[in-house]
Amino acid sequence: HSALTQPASVSGSPGQSITISCTGTSSDVGRYNYVSWYQQHPGKAPKLMIYEVSNRPSGVSNRISGSKSGNTASLTISGLQAEDEADYYCASFTSDSSWVFGGGTKLTVL
Amino acid sequence: QVQLVESGGGVVQPGTSLRLSCAASGFTFSSSGMHWVRQAPGRGLEWVANILNDGSEVSYVDSVKGRFTISRDDSKNTVYLQMNSLRTEDTAVYYCAKDRGFTWSFDYWGQGTLVTVSS
Repeated sequence: HSALTQPASVSGSPGQSITISCTGTSSDVGRYNYVSWYQQHPGKAPKLMIYEVSNRPSGVSNRISGSKSGNTASLTISGLQAEDEADYYCASFTSDSSWVFGGGTKLTVL
Repeated sequence: QVQLVESGGGVVQPGTSLRLSCAASGFTFSSSGMHWVRQAPGRGLEWVANILNDGSEVSYVDSVKGRFTISRDDSKNTVYLQMNSLRTEDTAVYYCAKDRGFTWSFDYWGQGTLVTVSS
C-alpha cells in the first residue's frame, strides 16, 4: 500500500479553522472506518487525536473533529491556538491487514 | 497510567541484527494488540509490525517481511522486534504503540529508541 496523501503544509491564524485532507484508495480509507489521526510535536511521540474517522479519545479538545467521504478523510481544527502547531498524520487499516500512514502535514499557526 | 518504554536501539553495521524491547505497564497487556512504528530522520511515520493480543496473528510492512519478527512475552509485559539483515534504510526512531482495542488505532506510544544502520 502506498502512503496516504496529505498536503505538506497548512496554516491559519489564531481563532481560525483549518482542514487537513487524507486521500487513500478503496482498499484502505474508502473501505474501512478505521481512519485515525495523530499529532506530533517536534522531538515528541505521536498522540492519538481521532480514531474510527470521527471519535475523540478522552482528553482531546472538542475543537478537533474528523470526517470521511469516499476515499478521503479530513481533520478539522477550529479556534486555532498556538499549541496546535505541530505535524499531523492520518492512518488507515488496509485490506491486507496492515496499516498505512499519510506523509504528514505541518500545521503553522501564523 | 499507561507506560511504554522502548530499549535496545543503537548503531549497527548493515547486515547485522538488533532486538528491540518495549516494556509495558499501566494496562492489561495480555488483552492488547501491540505495534511497532518507525520514523526515519526528518521523515514521516511508517507502520512496521503488529501482533494481536493473543499472539495468534502477526503482520508486517512489505519492506521488512522476512527480516523482522515481532513477538510478545505476556509474563514480562514486553513486546519485541527482532531485526535481522539490517539495511541503511532501516535507520529510524522505533516506537512501540498500543492498539486501541479493535479500533485499529494507536492510543499510547513510547518515547522511541533510535536505530542507526551505518558502515
